[in-house]
Amino acid sequence: EVQLVESGGGLVQPGRSLRLSCTGSGFTFGDYAMSWVRQAPGKGLEWVSFIRTKPYGETREYAASVKDRFTISRDDSKSIAYLQMNSLKIEDTAVYYCKTDRRTEDFRDHWGQGTLVTVSS
Amino acid sequence: EIVMTQSPATLSVSPGERATLSCRASQSVSINLGWYQQIPGQAPRLLIFGASTRATGIPARFSGSGSGTEFTLTISSLQSEDFAIYYCQQYNNWPRTFGQGTKVEIK
Repeated sequence: EVQLVESGGGLVQPGRSLRLSCTGSGFTFGDYAMSWVRQAPGKGLEWVSFIRTKPYGETREYAASVKDRFTISRDDSKSIAYLQMNSLKIEDTAVYYCKTDRRTEDFRDHWGQGTLVTVSS
Repeated sequence: EIVMTQSPATLSVSPGERATLSCRASQSVSINLGWYQQIPGQAPRLLIFGASTRATGIPARFSGSGSGTEFTLTISSLQSEDFAIYYCQQYNNWPRTFGQGTKVEIK
């Protein structure tokens, strides 16, 4: 069974940093591009970041709202994707989900249960 | 950035009735459009990708159509478990963008 488990969320002050982890199991992690999507309390979904697989150079994409502050990375040997969040702002408060990217041959994607990040003084 | 606009914001439907949800892109996204269902407190679930292909395990009452800038999600006969929030997302261009969502509620 495919599982994604996010961890690392919590309460953090504005301007500080936090690193989220997304641990995968039940599938070959390195075969999938990975994304982070967030949802502020009571709001809609916002795509945050994306990282390609090793054959595609592990290149990355970011939403404008987090570019230059957040960094996505992956360690396929540990089946983990990371989201390093620096210079956090109050508006970064959200549930952060990681998800697999659907490959051309796939008919679904997989999501974690999310981890809550609260940025507050 | 491509702006995705969903309408209506809220749709009140009786069980067994048909629901039609719309999604418009600010520029063409070809058929690179997905629909997600989210029940409050849960992660989103992919319903449709490629504008019209049902994801694994999705009932046939869900169908998607459209291309370019205009897309539709149709639920042919609403079941109790279908009352949720639905989001469209384009993946034709970076950054990927979601619509603001349509809440389908019980009438």
